Amino acid sequence: EAAVTQSPRNKVTVTGGNVTLSCRQTNSHNYMYWYRQDTGHGLRLIHYSYGAGNLQIGDVPDGYKATRTTQEDFFLLLELASPSQTSLYFCASSDGGGSDYTFGSGTRLLVI
Amino acid sequence: AQSVTQPDARVTVSEGASLQLRCKYSYSGTPYLFWYVQYPRQGLQLLLKYYSGDPVVQGVNGFEAEFIKSNSSFHLRKASVHWSDSAVYFCAVSAETSSSFSKLVFGQGTSLSVVP
Repeated sequence: EAAVTQSPRNKVTVTGGNVTLSCRQTNSHNYMYWYRQDTGHGLRLIHYSYGAGNLQIGDVPDGYKATRTTQEDFFLLLELASPSQTSLYFCASSDGGGSDYTFGSGTRLLVI
Repeated sequence: AQSVTQPDARVTVSEGASLQLRCKYSYSGTPYLFWYVQYPRQGLQLLLKYYSGDPVVQGVNGFEAEFIKSNSSFHLRKASVHWSDSAVYFCAVSAETSSSFSKLVFGQGTSLSVVP
């Protein structure tokens, strides 16, 4: 079954720590996205990609890097985590045509 | 720029009552419009989506939404809510990026509480 799988489900790190969030999709989609969800803001786009090696900057990119190593795998990197990055992170994939998006189950990150 | 506004952060309704959650969007082109639901401690689930055709679109669990182009609105409705409908609901528009492919732009979400 086509899906988007995120890992880990939960992560706790200290301020200044290094965190990598992983996402794998089996939908054969070219497009992948990282969003963060915060109360009062909905989901906001951090970075996105339309293929291996490609990276596009989203709406709230500060403090985040991303890397798309294969069509299936998209990683979000926080190299110096801050408490403001405590959030629920969602990965998604799409066909790029605008009508079909699949979301992962989310990664809850706490930066203390 | 594309945007979605959900003016009601919280809505409380009685079980069995009807429901309307409001959504207004700003997008210059022809939009794909979506409603997602997030149950406690879960991910996003698609309720329904609209692109063209009949402006009233049916979704899962008895939900429907009506696209009103003149008002730039895509309100979500349900005739009779159940306690299990308590969740956070997100409206979203699929917008074209500067790179000419699409991304989802979300509203702030509406937290629905269904009370006895």
